[in-house]
Amino acid sequence: EPEVTQTPSHQVTQMGQEVILRCVPISNHLYFYWYRQILGQKVEFLVSFYNNEISEKSEIFDDQFSVERPDGSNFTLKIRSTKLEDSAMYFCASSVGTANTGELFFGEGSRLTVL
Amino acid sequence: GNSVTQMEGPVTLSEEAFLTINCTYTATGYPSLFWYVQYPGEGLQLLLKATKADDKGSNKGFEATYRKETTSFHLEKGSVQVSDSAVYFCALRPSQAGTALIFGKGTTLSVSS
Repeated sequence: EPEVTQTPSHQVTQMGQEVILRCVPISNHLYFYWYRQILGQKVEFLVSFYNNEISEKSEIFDDQFSVERPDGSNFTLKIRSTKLEDSAMYFCASSVGTANTGELFFGEGSRLTVL
Repeated sequence: GNSVTQMEGPVTLSEEAFLTINCTYTATGYPSLFWYVQYPGEGLQLLLKATKADDKGSNKGFEATYRKETTSFHLEKGSVQVSDSAVYFCALRPSQAGTALIFGKGTTLSVSS
């Protein structure tokens, strides 16, 4: 069964360092998403991506964040200069259509710990 | 604004017990409602959904009914199994244009034999 895969499963980094989280969405999906969950809090939407551009983003997704689909298969989330409050589980998701009609398929998540 | 509130966990049950996980929402218009489940070591999976008032979503013995009058979408199962142990997330998709799902905090269910 096709699945969304994410790497790394866990990354520990120092504050101020750049981090790239990688995702391989399901191959025929057209919409890609990043969500995050800070421990004990809600799963929060960060950004959605379609046709090689951001289609929607939340207030959380500030200039420190960027997304890219560099090679037609990977979908990456970059945090330029990590802060302690970026520590969270980051989930990638993909869907055939928009979330209103199409099911989102999620990866297992990448846990980011910023020290 | 749009939001989802779930009952606090963890919920601890014995096998074959009845399960209810409460979920209420705040939204304008007519959102779609979802329950996602995350089993240990896995990603979030869609469990069931309902797209309009009075719809009942069901899957794997779980059910939830879209109640617009009480703005609720409670998850129920008549007889839980150890394999149902997971984290359950209630979510809504606003009716306005856009693609973001809005999630609750998640409720951890632990079922013992």
